[in-house]
Amino acid sequence: GENVEQHPSTLSVQEGDSAVIKCTYSDSASNYFPWYKQELGKGPQLIIDIRSNVGEKKDQRIAVTLNKTAKHFSLHITETQPEDSAVYFCARTGGGADGLTFGKGTHLIIQP
Amino acid sequence: DVKVTQSSRYLVKRTGEKVFLECVQDMDHENMFWYRQDPGLGLRLIYFSYDVKMKEKGDIPEGYSVSREKKERFSLILESASTNQTSMYLCASSPGTSGSSYEQYFGPGTRLTVT
Repeated sequence: GENVEQHPSTLSVQEGDSAVIKCTYSDSASNYFPWYKQELGKGPQLIIDIRSNVGEKKDQRIAVTLNKTAKHFSLHITETQPEDSAVYFCARTGGGADGLTFGKGTHLIIQP
Repeated sequence: DVKVTQSSRYLVKRTGEKVFLECVQDMDHENMFWYRQDPGLGLRLIYFSYDVKMKEKGDIPEGYSVSREKKERFSLILESASTNQTSMYLCASSPGTSGSSYEQYFGPGTRLTVT
């Protein structure tokens, strides 16, 4: 699949502050963009996703924005809490039965 | 809740052995996937299947094969294990080709060490 670039690789924020993780992609056929959270010793878990016909989606403290023209999408976490510490992966797919192409992950550290 | 289970959490095998990694999902999903996860490389797709007895190569299929004899079970096979196949292997499933079919649900992973 087409590459997905994810930045930063590590992000440390103070508890209560916001965290933003960004991803860019190259395949204009991409139409589904999920974000996964992986805690130590567990498989990735879907936390939010967005489809190409939507520019923004929110779920409580988590939001995702998509700019199809610029081919980038971002994860925003507000009022960060210790349990937000994990590795976060962005991904994309052309849809249907196709597999996901993942970014290389961001290790988010919430400092008390 | 969707449940994806993998047969082993940890596995140690010797170089040259044939290795089977098993994955079972209980939600009647059409699609199943195998990924490997390595530090600094993220998750990479090995093989996927959109129906029983059907399989498609992912981005890194070399050295692997798969089997899907039943809808709920998807097996990853390392024909002759090598040390560069030491990795975390993750299985996932997704519902189908319509509606919310794109969402993939992951198992807990199998950490394979080849010595």
